[in-house]
Amino acid sequence: DAGVIQSPRHEVTEMGQEVTLRCKPISGHDYLFWYRQTMMRGLELLIYFNNNVPIDDSGMPEDRFSAKMPNASFSTLKIQPSEPRDSAVYFCASSAGGGLAFGQGTRLTVV
Amino acid sequence: DAKTTQPNSMESNEEEPVHLPCNHSTISGTDYIHWYRQLPSQGPEYVIHGLTSNVNNRMASLAIAEDRKSSTLILHRATLRDAAVYYCILGEYGNKLVFGAGTILRVKS
Repeated sequence: DAGVIQSPRHEVTEMGQEVTLRCKPISGHDYLFWYRQTMMRGLELLIYFNNNVPIDDSGMPEDRFSAKMPNASFSTLKIQPSEPRDSAVYFCASSAGGGLAFGQGTRLTVV
Repeated sequence: DAKTTQPNSMESNEEEPVHLPCNHSTISGTDYIHWYRQLPSQGPEYVIHGLTSNVNNRMASLAIAEDRKSSTLILHRATLRDAAVYYCILGEYGNKLVFGAGTILRVKS
């Protein structure tokens, strides 16, 4: 099993641009989580899905952030427009209801 | 979300056991106790979880107090590769997990 796959691993973009982060969960896992990590705020849960349906998006910072899960094997987190304060490492994780398996993360830098 | 309290940092010698404490006095009856760790420049990694009884796996042991208001993660023989941030988290099975600051574990050779 390849584990949770995130792409890209690194992204540098200019302020105001749209950014799309991608995640492929482990096959058979029906929960998917998006987290963001910064030095100041630690690991923050942004949103999570169960069976492709968003269950809790209370952690999404503002309307500039959106997440979708069109099928069981793919999810996206989009930021439009991006701002420098969005710079962080974004992690995707999946589970079958038990332990979470995390991806390697996408390091986003907005300049 | 029920809150956990962990020491900011701990230090251990290589090849010795490590006991990482976690207090969770407001735990509910349906909360599992989860432990994750994050090595430098990597995503968090699942370590172990339990509800009431002590649990063992290849990575660690989890000792849960009888009143469930505290727990201890036990690494039986610390290695340099165990240096990481260890997170103790409460959450219902299948529900969201909210990470705190965790404990930074340093392992000395």
